Amino acid sequence: SQQGEEDPQALSIQEGENATMNCSYKTSINNLQWYRQNSGRGLVHLILIRSNEREKHSGRLRVTLDTSKKSSSLLITASRAADTASYFCATVVYNQGGKLIFGQGTELSVKP
Amino acid sequence: SAVISQKPSRDICQRGTSLTIQCQVDSQVTMMFWYRQQPGQSLTLIATANQGSEATYESGFVIDKFPISRPNLTFSTLTVSNMSPEDSSIYLCSVEGTLAGENYGYTFGSGTRLTVV
Repeated sequence: SQQGEEDPQALSIQEGENATMNCSYKTSINNLQWYRQNSGRGLVHLILIRSNEREKHSGRLRVTLDTSKKSSSLLITASRAADTASYFCATVVYNQGGKLIFGQGTELSVKP
Repeated sequence: SAVISQKPSRDICQRGTSLTIQCQVDSQVTMMFWYRQQPGQSLTLIATANQGSEATYESGFVIDKFPISRPNLTFSTLTVSNMSPEDSSIYLCSVEGTLAGENYGYTFGSGTRLTVV
């Protein structure tokens, strides 16, 4: 079963703009991860934030985690056309043997 | 991180037949995970495959429909049995990446795009 929801479901922006995607989850987690999927193929791991962390950066990516609200956000700064993809948050649920449970995903379109 | 070779990358199958999907990992891993991604949807976990024991299936998935083999620590197969058009999906395998016992992300195979006609 899905762990939570993401919004927006779809996002269309111009190159150079920032893109923000939000994710909510339902249960206690060990960590939360963000993945990118191009054209419905294999997923690429982007960034992981642990349950005791509040913010993490990696290049143009910034992830926040609010465990009190059970929510996370992914910010992509200075977006590029190559960032066009589907983005998923996923959680490793506490005490469930390392299972990775995915949110619904956000489809990002960056127009040149 | 591990590298996964998944095949076939795509197939078109007749209803009522079965398809076996293979995943080969370049390192030994304890658990392998199998996911289904229906058209336009997110990933849903089918089962967790441990070497030397039966796979653990998630709610809504059964062994008769999705038998899994895990003969060693680098290989696993998922079979989609007695297929119907509703089984048309992308199927992906995945392994956990760990460093000093801590999870640092998962690696996915490139996926198998299955179309049942």
